[in-house]
Amino acid sequence: AQSVTQLDSQVPVFEEAPVELRCNYSSSVSVYLFWYVQYPNQGLQLLLKYLSGSTLVKGINGFEAEFNKSQTSFHLRKPSVHISDTAEYFCAVLSRSQTGANNLFFGTGTRLTVIP
Amino acid sequence: NAGVTQTPKFQVLKTGQSMTLQCAQDMNHEYMSWYRQDPGMGLRLIHYSVGAGITDQGEVPNGYNVSRSTTEDFPLRLLSAAPSQTSVYFCASSPGTVPNSPLHFGNGTRLTVT
Repeated sequence: AQSVTQLDSQVPVFEEAPVELRCNYSSSVSVYLFWYVQYPNQGLQLLLKYLSGSTLVKGINGFEAEFNKSQTSFHLRKPSVHISDTAEYFCAVLSRSQTGANNLFFGTGTRLTVIP
Repeated sequence: NAGVTQTPKFQVLKTGQSMTLQCAQDMNHEYMSWYRQDPGMGLRLIHYSVGAGITDQGEVPNGYNVSRSTTEDFPLRLLSAAPSQTSVYFCASSPGTVPNSPLHFGNGTRLTVT
């Protein structure tokens, strides 16, 4: 089964500064990758996904991510963050289990705190 | 549409008690799943279902049972609660049988086992 590793558990950044949240995946022939966001006391929402095609994926709220096969990475970026971006961000991979079913497996999360 | 509805929002149990966490979706989604979220561990898959009458285990199934008698409902049963099951539980659904479409999450059930 494939997995993802989020390298930073917490990332503080000043408002209007750029941010990058890092995610590495275990290599495979084909890989489907996702970023989800969780605001306080809520469930997760999809930010963006990579299934195939262009390696630069644009999502909601001004976020984008780049699929890099050689570095097995799928880092999330935003050029200028707002206070409202404060949340926890999860990288996820679609992986086939031993029973042959496909499920979504999540990383441990990165808490982004935007400082006024 | 209500989306994915989880009840209750909060629950406190004593060790050894049993209970059922309810999950219902009104989007006619085939795929449904249960995750638990623990600090520093992200979300871990407990059980999932690809349609009515079909369920299977995820990463951390021990201590939990599920059933899927209808497309809409996917309850999670704790047979004999243990403190290690203190967690926030999320139910999620997706169209089709493979969750490469967005997973729609409920708002979670916060469970404390004393």
